[in-house]
Amino acid sequence: NAGVMQNPRHLVRRRGQEARLRCSPMKGHSHVYWYRQLPEEGLKFMVYLQKENIIDESGMPKERFSAEFPKEGPSILRIQQVVRGDSAAYFCASSPRQGGRDEQFFGPGTRLTVL
Amino acid sequence: DQQVKQNSPSLSVQEGRISILNCDYTNSMFDYFLWYKKYPAEGPTFLISISSIKDKNEDGRFTVFLNKSAKHLSLHIVPSQPGDSAVYFCAASATGTASKLTFGTGTRLQVTL
Repeated sequence: NAGVMQNPRHLVRRRGQEARLRCSPMKGHSHVYWYRQLPEEGLKFMVYLQKENIIDESGMPKERFSAEFPKEGPSILRIQQVVRGDSAAYFCASSPRQGGRDEQFFGPGTRLTVL
Repeated sequence: DQQVKQNSPSLSVQEGRISILNCDYTNSMFDYFLWYKKYPAEGPTFLISISSIKDKNEDGRFTVFLNKSAKHLSLHIVPSQPGDSAVYFCAASATGTASKLTFGTGTRLQVTL
């Protein structure tokens, strides 16, 4: 039973380019969370999605960031026109149901470096 | 506004001894707390959780204590092992917030031989 998968593991972009981060939740999980970890900080919640729905995006920056979780395929976190401050580790987590107090299972993360 | 705080950035403990990691929170709406362990270049791994209706939860070598009046929780690891060396994150969530987690900044535990 594969865990949460994220790709790429490392991504290098120049300022102004787009970054696309992918997350495949654990089998049977329909709830996906994205978190960002800046250097020397804890993980910060960004967005919570279910299939085809954004449930809570209160942690997403208002501009340049978007997320989706289509009916088929992985969840995508998209960052347009990246800036150096976007350099961070981005973690995806999944859980089987919302509000059930299930633990969230985390992927290995994507480390984004903006040159 | 750091709602979950881990004031000790690092802790060093001898193998076989007890490790105590502390966490404080400010949001009284938090009613579920979790501890995660993280190795470099990996995602956090769930360790143990506790609901606010309890004051203690135990799982093998790991015990979490919750003091609601002080808004404080702690993770005890007994006995500590070298493989426990990692960064430990405390996290909290509140009912009605879609289970999104608010994390502390982490404590780096080093278990020495």
